[in-house]
Amino acid sequence: AQSVTQPDIHITVSEGASLELRCNYSYGATPYLFWYVQSPGQGLQLLLKYFSGDTLVQGIKGFEAEFKRSQSSFNLRKPSVHWSDAAEYFCAVVQGAQKLVFGQGTRLTINP
Amino acid sequence: EPEVTQTPSHQVTQMGQEVILRCVPISNHLYFYWYRQILGQKVEFLVSFYNNEISEKSEIFDDQFSVERPDGSNFTLKIRSTKLEDSAMYFCASSDLWGNTEAFFGQGTRLTVV
Repeated sequence: AQSVTQPDIHITVSEGASLELRCNYSYGATPYLFWYVQSPGQGLQLLLKYFSGDTLVQGIKGFEAEFKRSQSSFNLRKPSVHWSDAAEYFCAVVQGAQKLVFGQGTRLTINP
Repeated sequence: EPEVTQTPSHQVTQMGQEVILRCVPISNHLYFYWYRQILGQKVEFLVSFYNNEISEKSEIFDDQFSVERPDGSNFTLKIRSTKLEDSAMYFCASSDLWGNTEAFFGQGTRLTVV
């Protein structure tokens, strides 16, 4: 079965610094990959997705992610974080055709 | 912008009671899902629903759980006899295609079983 690993449970960065959140997946074929963000008390909002084609995908709020098949990774990046980016970030992969399998999440804290 | 709406936002219930969580998916979507997130843990798939029947369910979705689309707009999750371990955030989602498309999530219902 497909699985997703987010190695970092909690990351703290300073406002204005760059960010990279790691995601590794386990899947035999080309995966469909997603990054979602969850602000405190809120639902899940899609940041970006990868299905095929260009391995560098752009998302909302200035985020991007790069699919690297050789490393089974789909890391999320942002060149300069804002205080409003503090949230929980979830990487997910589609399993079969009907459901998302989520990673454990990475909680991002922004220092002023 | 269309959105998935869930009610209530927070529900407190006594152990053993039945609860119904309600969702209004995006109107032209055909596929509906429930996910659960226990506090501090990852989001877990519960069930998917299409054409008025369950398409897939997880091990969590035992016979205490049921889903229904009682009319053209609502999609409900019922827990017949709640247990303490059912306390979680429950997310409804909908999509217009299988798999390789975006699932839109609602804001969630926080269920607290006391």
